[in-house]
Amino acid sequence: EAEVAQSPRYKITEKSQAVAFWCDPISGHATLYWYRQILGQGPELLVQFQDESVVDDSQLPKDRFSAERLKGVDSTLKIQPAELGDSAMYLCASSLEGIQPQHFGDGTRLSIL
Amino acid sequence: GIQVEQSPPDLILQEGANSTLRCNFSDSVNNLQWFHQNPWGQLINLFYIPSGTKQNGRLSATTVATERYSLLYISSSQTTDSGVYFCAGGTSYGKLTFGQGTILTVHP
Repeated sequence: EAEVAQSPRYKITEKSQAVAFWCDPISGHATLYWYRQILGQGPELLVQFQDESVVDDSQLPKDRFSAERLKGVDSTLKIQPAELGDSAMYLCASSLEGIQPQHFGDGTRLSIL
Repeated sequence: GIQVEQSPPDLILQEGANSTLRCNFSDSVNNLQWFHQNPWGQLINLFYIPSGTKQNGRLSATTVATERYSLLYISSSQTTDSGVYFCAGGTSYGKLTFGQGTILTVHP
């Protein structure tokens, strides 16, 4: 089965800088999710897209985080400015529709110095 | 929101042993999934199981939706089963709330 592609795998940057993550879901998957996973915890949903529309962004810190999925396919998550507390694994997942098995990419491990 | 409680938090086994992991939900869910996160951080979907029983090789899962819990069974464990096992559930369209995970270590 095709995989969810994410890049970069690792990102090290200084606080107050901008950082961006990219995700390409499994072909045909209408629903795309961005999660943040802090070490030792389970993933937490940041934003959910259905095609190009945001379904849930209640946990997204909108003062510094933004997400888009302009053509309903790939997606970008941005942080501006980055803070020390943003260090975490950022995971992208996709599913055919909402209530269906979710498949995850390998994630981007972000370290803020 | 939904609370997800997993037990045990840690589990250490010898290769070949069997184990049962449990997941309790604070409210009814219509979307329940089990995942394995390997030591490299990759999250693999094991089961989509809002109710009933499913089996995949040495792994099986059972969800009793009316009592708001799910069980994951691992038989004849192997060192490659090591990692963190997460259950996640939800009621709204696709959104999943994850538990804190069970850390499984299988020794040869």
